[in-house]
Amino acid sequence: QQQVKQSPQSLIVQKGGISIINCAYENTAFDYFPWYQQFPGKGPALLIAIRPDVSEKKEGRFTISFNKSAKQFSLHIMDSQPGDSATYFCAASTGSGNTGKLIFGQGTTLQVKP
Amino acid sequence: NAGVMQNPRHLVRRRGQEARLRCSPMKGHSHVYWYRQLPEEGLKFMVYLQKENIIDESGMPKERFSAEFPKEGPSILRIQQVVRGDSAAYFCASSLQIGEHEQYFGPGTRLTVT
Repeated sequence: QQQVKQSPQSLIVQKGGISIINCAYENTAFDYFPWYQQFPGKGPALLIAIRPDVSEKKEGRFTISFNKSAKQFSLHIMDSQPGDSATYFCAASTGSGNTGKLIFGQGTTLQVKP
Repeated sequence: NAGVMQNPRHLVRRRGQEARLRCSPMKGHSHVYWYRQLPEEGLKFMVYLQKENIIDESGMPKERFSAEFPKEGPSILRIQQVVRGDSAAYFCASSLQIGEHEQYFGPGTRLTVT
């Protein structure tokens, strides 16, 4: 019940295309859903995050869509660029009163071809 | 405005030796999380600490692993009698306060056990 399942494992997109990564969870107590971007040899960097009181959040070319009833959320990268090539992790955690530890998905390796 | 700092960045230990990993949180942050990333896998929560207190160690292996966050100085993750299976990237993250979900990650320590 603590798992977060992420798909696809890898993704190849042409420059200018839309990259879509999906995550699903079981624990309805999760109330914070961040996405992290990780380049090889670096630490994960917080990209964008959403709470379940909204269905969508957009920051620049990055959008999170959240479906509470389906217990799914996804990351959309619009106008994908070669510089977006990285590994993306979704995560989930529970709110105040808990430790806030993040449960991560398995990661998606994105390659954007020029 | 330094971010989360970790050292060493790379650590090589022979089987049976001790590994000591250090993490200095972002300025003003008093909450530290340790995560482990095995090759080709996502990040797994290990332990959550506040100054001088271990709050949640549910992800820590029962033996050989310990963590501390003293009143002064960095948080330390200690692995005694390392084995090859301990080879991984160990990431530290910090947050401003409990209930403040945003966690910011350091660059990681890559431990290799030979």
